[in-house]
Amino acid sequence: LAKTTQPISMDSYEGQEVNITCSHNNIATNDYITWYQQFPSQGPRFIIQGYKTKVTNEVASLFIPADRKSSTLSLPRVSLSDTAVYYCLVGDLNTGFQKLVFGTGTRLLVSP
Amino acid sequence: GAVVSQHPSRVICKSGTSVKIECRSLDFQATTMFWYRQFPKQSLMLMATSNEGSKATYEQGVEKDKFLINHASLTLSTLTVTSAHPEDSSFYICSAPQTGTANTEAFFGQGTRLTVV
Repeated sequence: LAKTTQPISMDSYEGQEVNITCSHNNIATNDYITWYQQFPSQGPRFIIQGYKTKVTNEVASLFIPADRKSSTLSLPRVSLSDTAVYYCLVGDLNTGFQKLVFGTGTRLLVSP
Repeated sequence: GAVVSQHPSRVICKSGTSVKIECRSLDFQATTMFWYRQFPKQSLMLMATSNEGSKATYEQGVEKDKFLINHASLTLSTLTVTSAHPEDSSFYICSAPQTGTANTEAFFGQGTRLTVV
């Protein structure tokens, strides 16, 4: 699995857009990028997954540049309940997203 | 989405005793499940891969005789922490992968908080 690098922590306020960038310089051709969210004392929860360009769902958007060496998770208009740890993972869909190896994650704190 | 359920969500046990944690895939079959451990303020650390009908495979540094894994059916994997000690106190999480039409993702249980006193 490709190694990922994320900021350790980020702070924001309610209603703001939050962008968390993840670096994955060694991403392979068959690798996809997936983001998970984890609240305290809960298991991680899938947020979004993508291969290139832009992916959007009801929760977030994922921006992936052409070289795919990084990706940005965008959370629109965050609320207090978005305070959590966000993990970026990279791997082949057939194998890498079964046996997940988590990096440090980004601890997002949303304040009133 | 698919649901993975863990039980118990919280357990306190005495040092030297054993504790069993169950992980069930409620609406899909999982031939493979994964067990993680997470210490406070740290990331998830993969402990072992649970394989239905065969032996589990353990990550380097994880004692297989201490963390017994059984995957007897396509919907149930159990992790038994044997002769637990205070340093085994942690948050244990299981996951089961499922390939859907749009994404391949792993579904996680809600976790089990183990406290050994």
